[in-house]
Amino acid sequence: GDSVTQMEGPVTLSEEAFLTINCTYTATGYPSLFWYVQYPGEGLQLLLKATKADDKGSNKGFEATYRKETTSFHLEKGSVQVSDSAVYFCALSNAGGTSYGKLTFGQGTILTVHP
Amino acid sequence: GAVVSQHPSWVICKSGTSVKIECRSLDFQATTMFWYRQFPKQSLMLMATSNEGSKATYEQGVEKDKFLINHASLTLSTLTVTSAHPEGSSFYICSARAMGRSGNTIYFGEGSWLTVV
Repeated sequence: GDSVTQMEGPVTLSEEAFLTINCTYTATGYPSLFWYVQYPGEGLQLLLKATKADDKGSNKGFEATYRKETTSFHLEKGSVQVSDSAVYFCALSNAGGTSYGKLTFGQGTILTVHP
Repeated sequence: GAVVSQHPSWVICKSGTSVKIECRSLDFQATTMFWYRQFPKQSLMLMATSNEGSKATYEQGVEKDKFLINHASLTLSTLTVTSAHPEGSSFYICSARAMGRSGNTIYFGEGSWLTVV
């Protein structure tokens, strides 16, 4: 079945440092790929997504490129801020139609950014 | 602000008792909601798809009689953990599918931490 493997955390960085959180996946067909973020006390929010190979998703300074050849969707940000401290989840979806919304998640990576 | 509200955020219950977790869509109707569970250091795993007005569809390996799902209205799905066991202590989170003109959007609740003692 489908699976997502995410870089284990926690990750601790200083403000303005470069961030990479690795994510690789196993799936049949051509899944859509997502990064979700969960801030303390809040629900998961969609951070960015990519629906086909070589697509780059971007939002709030974060980027991830759908690499089919390496089955990866690594999350990057050039300069992190304290407000980026959160839990980040990589996910994929192979379901459409009435099953749209069924996601396969990685285990999540806790990011803490210090001033 | 939140568009999907989940309650309670934290709950502690005794082994053998039942616990109900609610998932509400606040400003849209959701015919479909999803329930996920996450054990420590593991992935969020889909437990079931909750369909308004019909039976939930459970993923393989999820015990239907231990995790009762009721989606009686277009804005509310409930997950009842029956005869809770300490090994069932986990993080539960729901999502709801909103259908719009530009396509479907998925919104997640805040999640619920269940500790069984």
